[in-house]
This record gives sequence, C-alpha cells and structure tokens, in this order.
Amino acid sequence: EDQVTQSPEALRLQEGESSSLNCSYTVSGLRGLFWYRQDPGKGPEFLFTLYSAGEEKEKERLKATLTKKESFLHITAPKPEDSATYLCAVPDYGGSQGNLIFGKGTKLSVKP
Amino acid sequence: DSGVTQTPKHLITATGQRVTLRCSPRSGDLSVYWYQQSLDQGLQFLIQYYNGEERAKGNILERFSAQQFPDLHSELNLSSLELGDSALYFCASSKGQGPNQPQHFGDGTRLSIL
Repeated sequence: EDQVTQSPEALRLQEGESSSLNCSYTVSGLRGLFWYRQDPGKGPEFLFTLYSAGEEKEKERLKATLTKKESFLHITAPKPEDSATYLCAVPDYGGSQGNLIFGKGTKLSVKP
Repeated sequence: DSGVTQTPKHLITATGQRVTLRCSPRSGDLSVYWYQQSLDQGLQFLIQYYNGEERAKGNILERFSAQQFPDLHSELNLSSLELGDSALYFCASSKGQGPNQPQHFGDGTRLSIL
C-alpha cells in the first residue's frame, strides 16, 4: 500500500532559524509529488509540484527538493507568517486512481 | 484565493439528518474532488468527478453520494449522519482527470453533528 510519511510532526523555530521538513513515500513509479501549505480553518494551498529525482523548485523562502525516496522542504530564514501546516502528497495510481495520498503534515511555528 | 468556492462554510445538524455541500470549481477546471479531513485521519479522498462522470472513488461511505452537474459544480450529499461524520469537507478542482497535476482546494465546509 502506498504511504506518505512526514517528519517531524511539529517544528518550532525562531525567526531566521533555517530548517527542513521531510516527506518520505513508498509508491511504485512516482509520477509527481506535491507540497501544500494549510493555514488553520483554510483549505490546502498549492505550493510546488516535483516530477523527477533531482528536481528543485523555489518560492520566496521555500525550496523543495526530490530524491527517489523522499522530498525535503527547506525553509530559509523563516518569518512568523510562514507558520502553517505543510502537507505533502503523491498521486495514487493504485486502487483509487485520481486522488492524492496526503501525509499527516508538519505543523511549523515560527516565533519572532 | 484558489478560485474554488464551497458553501456553506459551517453546518450544524443532528444525528440522522441529511445535508448537501456545494462546490464550484475554478474556471476551466473539469475535475472535482471531495476530501474529508478529521483530526486523527488527515485528508482522505472520497470521490472524483470529471466532466460530469464519476472518475475515481475512495473510501466513501454508502451513506454519502455526490454528483457533478452540467455547469461543473458539484454537490456532496451526506445522509443518516452520525457523530463520527463531524469533520472538514474539502472540494478541490483540476483541469484534467489524472492525479499527476495540482489540485486546488476550497476553504471547506465544517460539519458539526450534535
């Protein structure tokens, strides 16, 4: 069964303290990995799609990277407004084709 | 703003009742997806429609049903509600029918069963 595991579950940083979030997956033949940001009471907001190992995408203080077994979301010099839950997801080409399998997320808190 | 609109934002009802959740996809998107998010389960896929036809099904209960109309808006019907159905229900949309493209989410309907 395809699985997506995110770590850590929660991460507390001081403003300006860079760190990385991890997303590991077990799927046969990855055809994309997605990163989303979710604020409390809101829907997930699309951030990045990565399609092949070695690919990198950047947006402001965020950079997503992909290997054959995991993805990292690097946060450089975070600000309090980066506080949110970050979700990763992979497409399901198994039993429920068409959906995304989501990890349970990393809740990031950035203190000023 | 993702461009996906969900109504209502909140619903409070009692066990045994039936409710309808509505979703309007982004302009130009043909696929609509429904997800359930609870504290312990995370985001769980329920069902997908593409251009009016059911495309994929997840662990959707038999008490739940959905449809997509000719104008591409979608409705999720939940009946014989139980306390465990309390959750956030999200709709997402994408242009195509495959899962290898980004899905854009609405802000959800919070359903509370009393």
